Amino acid sequence: EAEVAQSPRYKITEKSQAVAFWCDPISGHATLYWYRQILGQGPELLVQFQDESVVDDSQLPKDRFSAERLKGVDSTLKIQPAELGDSAMYLCASSFTPGTTNNEQFFGPGTRLTVL
Amino acid sequence: AQKITQTQPGMFVQEKEAVTLDCTYDTSDQSYGLFWYKQPSSGEMIFLIYQGSYDEQNATEGRYSLNFQKARKSANLVISASQLGDSAMYFCAMTGFNKFYFGSGTKLNVKP
Repeated sequence: EAEVAQSPRYKITEKSQAVAFWCDPISGHATLYWYRQILGQGPELLVQFQDESVVDDSQLPKDRFSAERLKGVDSTLKIQPAELGDSAMYLCASSFTPGTTNNEQFFGPGTRLTVL
Repeated sequence: AQKITQTQPGMFVQEKEAVTLDCTYDTSDQSYGLFWYKQPSSGEMIFLIYQGSYDEQNATEGRYSLNFQKARKSANLVISASQLGDSAMYFCAMTGFNKFYFGSGTKLNVKP
């Protein structure tokens, strides 16, 4: 069964260091999402791609976060420099049918980031 | 602006009983979709059920059903015959045109 892949699963870093997360969506899924989820809260959308284009990055802290999906397939989310408040689960999701309401998102296992 | 509200931060239910998790939404879109996801302590998000705004029948998937009341803008999840494995966070979500919004979640604990 096709799955969204994410790596690493866990990351511990010190503040002011750079971190990067990778996501490989389900093959054929044009839309890719990066979410940040703080413990006990719902996922917060950071950035949404349609193919290689960003369609929504209004909640992305652009002074330290960047995201790219150069060939419209896999994607990388980077944080530089990391801050203590960045400790969270980072979820990647993909969906196949943009432009409809039945655009179920398929989620990867997430990357749990701890900033010390 | 779209908004999803889950007013129950935590709930308890006895094993084998039914439980309803509340979700209300606000949107000016005529066409939208409503989803429920389950998130166990391991962290993965598991799709449970979908309801389209034009669907006249309430969605059902096994022990899950969605009580869709369009006029009240509510989309409550009903879990019948609760099992210990149902203990998890549950998120209601809404989509309009290519946008996705999550509620704050309800933590369900199933007691043996």
